[in-house]
Amino acid sequence: ETGVTQTPRHLVMGMTNKKSLKCEQHLGHNAMYWYKQSAKKPLELMFVYSLEERVENNSVPSRFSPECPNSSHLFLHLHTLQPEDSALYLCASSHTTGSYEQYFGPGTRLTVT
Amino acid sequence: QKEVEQNSGPLSVPEGAIASLNCTYSDRGSQSFFWYRQYSGKSPELIMFIYSNGDKEDGRFTAQLNKASQYVSLLIRDSQPSDSATYLCAVRSGGTSYGKLTFGQGTILTVHP
Repeated sequence: ETGVTQTPRHLVMGMTNKKSLKCEQHLGHNAMYWYKQSAKKPLELMFVYSLEERVENNSVPSRFSPECPNSSHLFLHLHTLQPEDSALYLCASSHTTGSYEQYFGPGTRLTVT
Repeated sequence: QKEVEQNSGPLSVPEGAIASLNCTYSDRGSQSFFWYRQYSGKSPELIMFIYSNGDKEDGRFTAQLNKASQYVSLLIRDSQPSDSATYLCAVRSGGTSYGKLTFGQGTILTVHP
């Protein structure tokens, strides 16, 4: 888990708040991902970045805004979220988007009140 | 129809037994198949991947793939209490180059002493 770190680990926010999730990978990888894991639902891909370029936006609402300033850092900016957005948000990285193994961070447990 | 479907759990096996986890997928163009293990409160970690029909063995784990039946399974021999976790099946479509994984809902495995 130390290869991919995420902060904060827990976040409680109101529906009118703006917050950001941060992910950092120390593995020298070129691809980074955001996933959402909700209770009793499959892990769901949200965004994919390859060399800081977004290559996939998996029909995610605009209240989620990703940012990838360099290949080691990935952010997920949150604004005007809904209670149903409460979930575990996982960041992952891989050497390239074609690599078999993706390494996951520990996740941010988000609660929207 | 769910894109990736896993046998509904939870699955409980005695220590030393073989645990069998099953997964079916709907996209015939899928090319790579993955098994992740997720301990409670932790992030997923890759334990095996397979892309050719047949069996692939790694220690106590064997992945089996049958593309004609669109079926992939994971066998865990000599199950240990430490194998107790949620097992996630994931599939990569052949039509994408950006590493998109589609996950099943997971099967909870409990190995009791």
